[in-house]
Amino acid sequence: QKEVEQDPGPLSVPEGAIVSLNCTYSNSAFQYFMWYRQYSRKGPELLMYTYSSGNKEDGRFTAQVDKSSKYISLFIRDSQPSDSATYLCAMSAVLGSNYKLTFGKGTLLTVNP
Amino acid sequence: GAVVSQHPSRVICKSGTSVKIECRSLDFQATTMFWYRQFPKQSLMLMATSNEGSKATYEQGVEKDKFLINHASLTLSTLTVTSAHPEDSSFYICSALDRRSSTDTQYFGPGTRLTVL
Repeated sequence: QKEVEQDPGPLSVPEGAIVSLNCTYSNSAFQYFMWYRQYSRKGPELLMYTYSSGNKEDGRFTAQVDKSSKYISLFIRDSQPSDSATYLCAMSAVLGSNYKLTFGKGTLLTVNP
Repeated sequence: GAVVSQHPSRVICKSGTSVKIECRSLDFQATTMFWYRQFPKQSLMLMATSNEGSKATYEQGVEKDKFLINHASLTLSTLTVTSAHPEDSSFYICSALDRRSSTDTQYFGPGTRLTVL
């Protein structure tokens, strides 16, 4: 079993839809959870950063972490064609000198106008 | 956020040559930088962790003599692919660790697409 599982999609939705992206993980030591957005042939861009369980909202984006279920989600409200990208979940057990991110495979999202 | 640049963005070289890729943190100092490799439709694979002033730490299976990493300053890390071969063709992405806040955050460069003929 991989440490981080993420459905690669592709996921196609109409403009304005609510998008739900998810990852599951097996390592209970993970405490820091991130979502990155990656446009084609570009580097990943940090969208959301969450520590431990709970919700975090930033504009149209909401990140949820459920450590008991080892499950994290990213919700995008009022999706726009410019949201079309690959979304990567990432997580880490520690900060500091041993910091290392473990990534999901990424979910390819297309928002159709 | 923070800005990380990478140069070049794209390079094509002949088999057997060496290629150097630069990664710079533009608005913060980064004692730690990371080098990743990404194949089409795949996730990022960590190759090595680069610490300023010390030797890089390579992930299992990554040839340290082939992928030379130098982190000579707090804003610059370089990856040199030595004696490149077609199988080294890939998208190479660096990231820099921003430790200015209590939450360490990795910011990524735009990537370098290497094609070895």
